[in-house]
Amino acid sequence: AQRVTQPEKLLSVFKGAPVELKCNYSYSGSPELFWYVQYSRQRLQLLLRHISRESIKGFTADLNKGETSFHLKKPFAQEEDSAMYYCAASSSNTGKLIFGQGTTLQVKP
Amino acid sequence: DGGITQSPKYLFRKEGQNVTLSCEQNLNHDAMYWYRQDPGQGLRLIYYSQIVNDFQKGDIAEGYSVSREKKESFPLTVTSAQKNPTAFYLCASLRGGYTGELFFGEGSRLTVL
Repeated sequence: AQRVTQPEKLLSVFKGAPVELKCNYSYSGSPELFWYVQYSRQRLQLLLRHISRESIKGFTADLNKGETSFHLKKPFAQEEDSAMYYCAASSSNTGKLIFGQGTTLQVKP
Repeated sequence: DGGITQSPKYLFRKEGQNVTLSCEQNLNHDAMYWYRQDPGQGLRLIYYSQIVNDFQKGDIAEGYSVSREKKESFPLTVTSAQKNPTAFYLCASLRGGYTGELFFGEGSRLTVL
């Protein structure tokens, strides 16, 4: 079955510390991988996607096909990074797009 | 002002009643999605539609129904067969195919009394 797993419900770090939000996927074929973010009182929005190979707000994510992982990383966390982060995967064959359980990132001053 | 509009924002329903949640987009996107958001469970896919007059079941379609008669509209009906309908529902449209970006509405919170 297709599945996206985020093992941590909550990740709490101090400002300036490195951050890694974990994401593992189980998907047939070659899915596209994404990270979405929801800041307080805002709509869920795209943070970054694997195909773009981009760094957004200092965040990067590396696809490891061997480990079927797409962890989100940032070397130095900022308080404004506090939000709910969702990993997602989509299928080129079916258009199906599914999300993980989400991880709340709390950056303390 | 382009975007995704969901209505109503809050809805109360008695057990045994069907209720329809509206989702409208003026972004000219072909694909639209409905998700259910519950604490600790993330977003779970209910139904999705890649084109007008076509839609597919997601992972938790039981107790829900949809229609896609117009490109702009993708309403979700929560039927009385849905055993645990109290939840936050999110609608989204997709720009750019399977590698593209989802644009989300503000959501509708349904409470069954």
